Parts: sequence; C-alpha cells; structure tokens
Amino acid sequence: SYELTQPPSVSVSPGQTARITCSGAALPKSYAYWYQHKAGQAPILVIYKDIERPSGVPERFSASSSGTTVTLTISGVQAEDEADYYCQSADTSRSYSVVFGGGTRLTVL
Amino acid sequence: QVQLVESGEGLVKPGGSLRLSCAASGFTFGDHYMAWIRQAPGKGLEWLSSITNSGDAMYVADSVKGRLAVSRDNAKNSVFLEMINLRPDDSAVYFCARRIVLGTYGYFDYWGQGTLVTVSS
Repeated sequence: SYELTQPPSVSVSPGQTARITCSGAALPKSYAYWYQHKAGQAPILVIYKDIERPSGVPERFSASSSGTTVTLTISGVQAEDEADYYCQSADTSRSYSVVFGGGTRLTVL
Repeated sequence: QVQLVESGEGLVKPGGSLRLSCAASGFTFGDHYMAWIRQAPGKGLEWLSSITNSGDAMYVADSVKGRLAVSRDNAKNSVFLEMINLRPDDSAVYFCARRIVLGTYGYFDYWGQGTLVTVSS
C-alpha cells in the first residue's frame, strides 16, 4: 500500500526554523496537505494544495514541493508550535484514496 | 464559525458495535462531504471513510471495509459512523471532519475534537 514517510521527530530552539519533510512516490501527481495536532484538540489544517496557507494560519508556516518530497517550514518557531504535524495526500492509483504520513513530533527546546 | 462535535459510546466490549454521531454547525451542511478519521493511542491519523454531501455514496478504507458504515441526516446537520465486530485495536479517538473535494481526492479543512472509544472486556 502507498505510504507517506515523515521523520518521527524534529527539535528546534525558539526563533529557529523547523523543516519537516514528507516523501511519497505519488506526490508529484497529487496535492499535499499539512495538519497541526495538539493532544486533546482538533487537528488544524495549516497548508493545503501543496503551498497554500488557510486564513488565520500564521505567516511563519510555509511549504514547498520538489519531486517526491514536500516540506513544511516553520520560520521563527514559537513555543506554541510544539505539536504533531501530519502530511496527507492520495494514492493516485485509487480514486477517493486518503493517505496520512506517520506524523512528526515537533519539540521546541 | 464551523463546529463539529462528536459523541457516542466510550467503552465497548470486543465483538460489540458502536454508533458515533457528529453534530455540525456554522456552515451549509448539505453542501459538503464529511469524513471520519481515527487515532489509536500512540499512533498516527488513519482515514476511515468519507460520505458524499447527499449521502448517496460512501468510501471506506480497506482496513475497516465490511465492518464500517457511514450515513448522514442533512435535516439534522449530523453524520454517523457505525462499526461492528469491534476489536481492541479499534480503540482510538475518532474524529469527524469536513472534507473538501478536489476531483476524486481532497483534504479536511475542519475537524472536531474527537471522541474516545475503548474496546475492552
């Protein structure tokens, strides 16, 4: 089955830049999306259609795409950004497919 | 503002069944696909199912196919999940989410806080 691969953890100090990658063979053919999830809360969409940021999401959240890898970048990380981040896309060999990456725990040191 | 609130049984015995509800508000419910996603303890997010805005079609993950059904009542702004033959590894927080469809794919722009289901004797 199709998989999206994320690093289990990323750690940065406040004010630094965090980069979280997501790799998948079908990413060149299907949009990627990113969600922030804090325990006990509703997940929040932070990036859609590879690079678009929903209204209300801080400008420090951005994303890029290159081949089979997409990257979520958080510039000037703040303590409140500590959370799990999940990428999501689709297995383009199957209509209506939804695939999540395994998630990355961002720790703000 | 968009709100999604899940509710349902918290503790279910192995082999039993569950029915979860999700009450939506703050948007025109009948215009949107909806979905259910779960997170087992210590694990990542797992998509379970999506249902069209009219309720005429449902898409289900292979991992739960044959045990899960999703329905909706647009008059009551609610979507439901029913699962049978529950196993301990079905223990998870179950989220409902609003689905934005792009072609045959898409994403989830609003989520509920989730409801915890524990399968244990």
